Amino acid sequence: VLTQSPGTLSLSPGERATLSCRASQSVSSSYLAWYQQKPGQAPRRLIYGTSNRASDVPDRFSGSGSGTDFTLTISRLEAEDFAVYYCQQFGGSPAYTFGQGTRLEI
Amino acid sequence: QAQLVQSGAEVRKPGASVKVSCQASGYSFTGSYIHWVRQAPGQGLEWMGFINPYTGGPTYARKFEDSVTMTRDTSITTAYLELRRLKSDDTAVYYCARWISGSYYFESWGQGTLVTVSS
Repeated sequence: VLTQSPGTLSLSPGERATLSCRASQSVSSSYLAWYQQKPGQAPRRLIYGTSNRASDVPDRFSGSGSGTDFTLTISRLEAEDFAVYYCQQFGGSPAYTFGQGTRLEI
Repeated sequence: QAQLVQSGAEVRKPGASVKVSCQASGYSFTGSYIHWVRQAPGQGLEWMGFINPYTGGPTYARKFEDSVTMTRDTSITTAYLELRRLKSDDTAVYYCARWISGSYYFESWGQGTLVTVSS
């Protein structure tokens, strides 16, 4: 099970956002990814392997962590970053699991 | 550039079936597993299973083993999700997504197909 916190994060453009994802069992750092979803859109991959940015993802997005605790950080929020963020792990049962999401709102 | 294009919205009555398609382009169709993920209104993402386009072999999440069938047609680079014995709580947006083996993430997503189950 992946538990994300907080459920909702209220910040302003220019601020730093820190989103947490905690696993009920240790997860290999290779198997942890993050996605962004805006209203009415499909999820979009941001980070894979804990800290690798996918192509075309701005460098203000970064991922870190190990074991059971992982973090997505957005260094300076821009208006387009306000969305819902999901972490996802590979492994365990079921093999592909998503966290419940963190809503980042202005 | 990899792209997944899904079929349009569907409305069904409880107990009926529906088949959603996902056409892939821009990459080798048989080289990446296609997964299906659903999202109920206002809820999070729920993994349903995947199909190996090379072999045609599916793997289902336990919750969906008795109610879904995943298939593919390599000649038209299309994956399918059939939902059987629909219930009202199957109302959701269904996404297909391309899995990148070795990097362990969903690299591309379809635009989603809304399936509404209502009497």
